[in-house]
Parts: sequence; structure tokens; C-alpha cells
Amino acid sequence: AQSVTQLDSQVPVFEEAPVELRCNYSSSVSVYLFWYVQYPNQGLQLLLKYLSGSTLVESINGFEAEFNKSQTSFHLRKPSVHISDTAEYFCAVSSNYQLIWGAGTKLIIKP
Amino acid sequence: DAGITQSPRHKVTETGTPVTLRCHQTENHRYMYWYRQDPGHGLRLIHYSYGVKDTDKGEVSDGYSVSRSKTEDFLLTLESATSSQTSVYFCAISSGQGPDTQYFGPGTRLTVL
Repeated sequence: AQSVTQLDSQVPVFEEAPVELRCNYSSSVSVYLFWYVQYPNQGLQLLLKYLSGSTLVESINGFEAEFNKSQTSFHLRKPSVHISDTAEYFCAVSSNYQLIWGAGTKLIIKP
Repeated sequence: DAGITQSPRHKVTETGTPVTLRCHQTENHRYMYWYRQDPGHGLRLIHYSYGVKDTDKGEVSDGYSVSRSKTEDFLLTLESATSSQTSVYFCAISSGQGPDTQYFGPGTRLTVL
């Protein structure tokens, strides 16, 4: 069965510093990967996804994630974070029309 | 934003009472899902539906039942609420075409006293 591990429950970072949120998944023949963001007191929104093609995928608000098959990872990065990026971030892998979810990482931006 | 609404948005109830949460979509998507979100557990799938009257269990289905009599509505029922079912409940939808994106509703915060 598929599984997803988000290695950090919380990541504190100073504003304008770079950040990496880590996600590892159990291996599978075909993998489709997602990052979702949940702002305080809101539902989840899709941030970006990898289905096929280029291993580097980008979101409209400056986040990017790289699919690494050999390391079974799909880490999320942003070169310079803003206070508005304060949220919880969830990694997920698609399996039989379901999504298998990581436990989430809270991104805490320090002024 | 995908057209997904959940009702009620907040509910406080007592142990032993039945509770029904409603998810309504205007996207005509085939798949609908109910999740619960608890601190430290991420999202856990309760039940899902792959068509009208077609449903299946998720990983935490005990104590919950669902019904889908129309494409647009997916109901989650707690037959006899317990304090362990205090949680935030999210509905999601997807078209079911391949490794598809799921779109989420705003959530329902349920407190069982």
C-alpha cells in the first residue's frame, strides 16, 4: 500500500529566507504527487502537482517541487517566504482514485 | 473555485445523538469524499462515492454511514455521535478522470459533548 511521510511537523523560518518542506512516498510503478495548502480556518487548496513530464513543477505563488524517483521524494521549496505563506502544507500521492495523505507540515514565518 | 458547499459549518451536539452533514457540489463530478482532520493525523478518509448509490469505506469508517441519492449531494451520518468524533470534516470532489485533483469544501467543525 502507498504511504506518504512528511518528515517535519513544523518548520519555522524567517521572512524572506528560503524553505524546504520534505515529503517522501513509498515506491510504486506509477506515481502522481500533489501538494496542497491549508490557510488558517480554511479548506485545502491545490498548490501544485506532478503527473508526468518535467520533474520540476511550479505554482503561481513561487513554490516549486521536484519529483525524484530514485529518492522517492517530492520536496516543496520556495526561495523567499512571505508572512502570507503561513499555512499547513500537505503532500499526497494518488492511488486508485484516492489520495494518500501525509500528516502535514506547518510553516511558521518569523518576522 | 470549485462549487462545493458544506452544511452546517459548525455544530455542537451531545453524545448519543445522530448527526448528518451535507456536501453539495455544482460541478457534476463523479467522485465525492468525506474526510476528517485531526491534529497530528492529517486527513483520513471516512467514505467515498464513485457514483449515485455507489459508495465504499475508507480507513476510518466505523461509526459513520453515507448516502448519495443524487450526483450533487453526499451525506455523512454519525449514527450515534461520540466524543471521539469531534473533528473537522471536509468534503472533496474529483472528476474521476485519471490521477485527478481533488477539490475541497470549506469544512464543518463538529463538537460532540
